[in-house]
Amino acid sequence: DTAVSQTPKYLVTQMGNDKSIKCEQNLGHDTMYWYKQDSKKFLKIMFSYNNKELIINETVPNRFSPKSPDKAHLNLHINSLELGDSAVYFCASSLGTGLSTDTQYFGPGTRLTVL
Amino acid sequence: GEDVEQSLFLSVREGDSSVINCTYTDSSSTYLYWYKQEPGAGLQLLTYIFSNMDMKQDQRLTVLLNKKDKHLSLRIADTQTGDSAIYFCAETGSNQGQAGTALIFGKGTTLSVSS
Repeated sequence: DTAVSQTPKYLVTQMGNDKSIKCEQNLGHDTMYWYKQDSKKFLKIMFSYNNKELIINETVPNRFSPKSPDKAHLNLHINSLELGDSAVYFCASSLGTGLSTDTQYFGPGTRLTVL
Repeated sequence: GEDVEQSLFLSVREGDSSVINCTYTDSSSTYLYWYKQEPGAGLQLLTYIFSNMDMKQDQRLTVLLNKKDKHLSLRIADTQTGDSAIYFCAETGSNQGQAGTALIFGKGTTLSVSS
């Protein structure tokens, strides 16, 4: 009965490869997010989607492309992986009310290591 | 722009109280959050406080908010070894009132509890 799930949990790949991380939520939420946590544990928003529509697209290289096939899924595709992409990527979801009470619930994270 | 600051480390003995401090810049934030991250795990929402409150208590957790000084603290009473984790303070970023608003996180405070 996992609320926000991500696959895979660990991803080790070579520079230049293309990879995807999947996220699913079973909370019935309308809004989903991707955050990146770097090696110093700093968390920063990358994207947010509401009802499959892109809301936030922070200063992220266009090698990163989020895709939301439906409200319950937000996948992250990364092209031409670079060493600096190594991080933990967290998916989150919220009701999407637009209110400050719109609490975000996080997935377990995907640790990406680029060699 | 928005910024959230926290001290990076705190070390306490089991049974003592822990106080983790946070300062934020966006005075329009109506909710402020505390998340906990255990080693290798995702982010768990601990508690949040509405900006018109000074204090919120939830079992061993007490949140104090000084809106004038933009200072937030989390007190953990009777700290246990299982409380060892990274604690993140967060505020809602710009675009409050719009679905998909990101959380702005502090760099996290690593709490180490010794027996």
